[in-house]
Amino acid sequence: AQSVTQLDSHVSVSEGTPVLLRCNYSSSYSPSLFWYVQHPNKGLQLLLKYTSAATLVKGINGFEAEFKKSETSFHLTKPSAHMSDAAEYFCVVRYSGGYQKVTFGTGTKLQVIP
Amino acid sequence: NAGVTQTPKFQVLKTGQSMTLQCAQDMNHEYMSWYRQDPGMGLRLIHYSVGAGITDQGEVPNGYNVSRSTTEDFPLRLLSAAPSQTSVYFCASSRRLAGDYNEQFFGPGTRLTVL
Repeated sequence: AQSVTQLDSHVSVSEGTPVLLRCNYSSSYSPSLFWYVQHPNKGLQLLLKYTSAATLVKGINGFEAEFKKSETSFHLTKPSAHMSDAAEYFCVVRYSGGYQKVTFGTGTKLQVIP
Repeated sequence: NAGVTQTPKFQVLKTGQSMTLQCAQDMNHEYMSWYRQDPGMGLRLIHYSVGAGITDQGEVPNGYNVSRSTTEDFPLRLLSAAPSQTSVYFCASSRRLAGDYNEQFFGPGTRLTVL
């Protein structure tokens, strides 16, 4: 079975300080991993995805994530938070070979304080 | 490209009423799926389709029906609405290519309230 755990339901940072959103996964096979962002009352937008080509993945808007197999983690980071980063972030794991086996984390709400 | 479109944006139903949530995509994606989003629970898969004429159940299919007669459209039918179906519904689509690194594209969502 696969699962994904987002360790914080809420994260609050000051504008200009680093962002760390944590995600751990459990999978019997090599997973595909994604981070999506959802701004209030909007749909989900892909931030970045892990494709096994490189363990450090760069996404849009200055976000990046590092795949660490030994720690089964895929944490999302950004060096300097911007007010427009305030949103909910979802970590997603997808089984290799099975479309239906997509599992979403429960989400982390990021608050950015001016 | 319009991407993935959903109608309506908002809907209020009474218990027992039926309705259809519409979803369309213009990217010629084979895969389409329906999710519901509830506070603190992430997104849960209701039904999905791997191509026209082929559908299957996801994690929470009870009370919902789908069909896929064309590549573009994937409507979700609520047979007899219940308050437990109050939620935000998202439609998503993706390509079918070798490997599993294909991201899903999401519609803007339909906010449904069942009284």
